[in-house]
Amino acid sequence: GAVVSQHPSWVICKSGTSVKIECRSLDFQATTMFWYRQFPKQSLMLMATSNEGSKATYEQGVEKDKFLINHASLTLSTLTVTSAHPEDSSFYICSARAGSAGGSSYEQYFGPGTRLTVT
Amino acid sequence: AQSVSQHNHHVILSEAASLELGCNYSYGGTVNLFWYVQYPGQHLQLLLKYFSGDPLVKGIKGFEAEFIKSKFSFNLRKPSVQWSDTAEYFCAVNARTGGFKTIFGAGTRLFVKA
Repeated sequence: GAVVSQHPSWVICKSGTSVKIECRSLDFQATTMFWYRQFPKQSLMLMATSNEGSKATYEQGVEKDKFLINHASLTLSTLTVTSAHPEDSSFYICSARAGSAGGSSYEQYFGPGTRLTVT
Repeated sequence: AQSVSQHNHHVILSEAASLELGCNYSYGGTVNLFWYVQYPGQHLQLLLKYFSGDPLVKGIKGFEAEFIKSKFSFNLRKPSVQWSDTAEYFCAVNARTGGFKTIFGAGTRLFVKA
């Protein structure tokens, strides 16, 4: 149980284009989803927290107009990197926290990540 | 501010050596603690977690961690490492006071020599 998937697993895009990454909780309802980015050989940095049906809360220093997050349902959140630049190249990881209906509300379940390369 | 610090950035051990990786956190109130492992080219895997109860937690692959509340620590241990334990290890913490956002330490890169 408690599986989180991400799609795509790997994407290459040209500078200036936008890329959408999907995060799905497959067997539980995720009231809260989190988006992280991980640069090579570095730790995971939290970008934003999204609750189903409401606006995402962004961490300090993260541009909300560049990284658009939508959490339209209890099983799906999307991260859109708008007008991507090479410095946005990174590993983007989502995680989901179960609601009271199932799973531990203290634990986040992580997706496998999406590697974005902007050329 | 809430933070997680891992003292060792790089650790090199020979097979069969004992391992202890330090983790300290700065959080108010009750915390939930985690250790994750990331093998080269792979995604995060949960090694073990502590929510409450026995402060000595046993996880997968022979790892264990001890929560010492007075020291704000959650150190990871393994009595005898193997070459296959070569990976990066992340300590992570969340708490109700932080909205249950999980914050990660900088990570410790472990290399085990065969």
